Amino acid sequence: EIVLTQSPGTLSLSPGERATLSCRASQNIRNTYLAWYQQKPGQAPRLLIYDASSRATGIPDRFSGSGSGTDFTLTISRLEPEDFAVYYCQQYATSPRTFGQGTKVEI
Amino acid sequence: QVQLVQSGAEVKKPGASVKLSCKASGYNFTSYYMHWVRQAPGQGPEWMGIINPSGGDTDYAQKFQGRVTMTRDTSTSTVYMDLRSLRSEDTAAYFCARGGLLIKNWFDSWGQGTLVTVSS
Repeated sequence: EIVLTQSPGTLSLSPGERATLSCRASQNIRNTYLAWYQQKPGQAPRLLIYDASSRATGIPDRFSGSGSGTDFTLTISRLEPEDFAVYYCQQYATSPRTFGQGTKVEI
Repeated sequence: QVQLVQSGAEVKKPGASVKLSCKASGYNFTSYYMHWVRQAPGQGPEWMGIINPSGGDTDYAQKFQGRVTMTRDTSTSTVYMDLRSLRSEDTAAYFCARGGLLIKNWFDSWGQGTLVTVSS
């Protein structure tokens, strides 16, 4: 099973600042089969990024993903008030699919 | 547009079973894999398994093997998840999530979630 470790656990920033979230895998993720999701309280996760760097439909270009192998990054270039949420990475290269434990981006 | 509508909240006693549903609309139901994911309070999501709505074949996370069954009804575009021998640790929100045309794919649409509470 691929274990995903996200850091930091919490990121305290202000609107307009840049957020950099990390996701490290316990083994190589083939074909960059890694996604990022945003989740707000009481809601289902929402897909942001797939295949490590492709933005999902309707996702603003301030969200970007990068990385390969075992190290991946989600960057939010300028935080908007609606971006304060919890972010999860997920791998879909192998079964079981696994998620990271999340990074909370707070004001 | 793609919609996944899940059944309502459930309260169960330890040892009981629960069967949840997820009705899909807005796309060709049999073309896209469907996953079930759960999330305990304050925790990250946890993948439970996948079903191919076309053939009905499944793949379950080892953790749930023997306790979970996923099925589908193509006539109503609905997938079901049956979880047996419930324990308090199964208290969580359960989500269905649409995968892709291929088995290795991201989850692009999610149901609203069903809260299952297991308590004596």
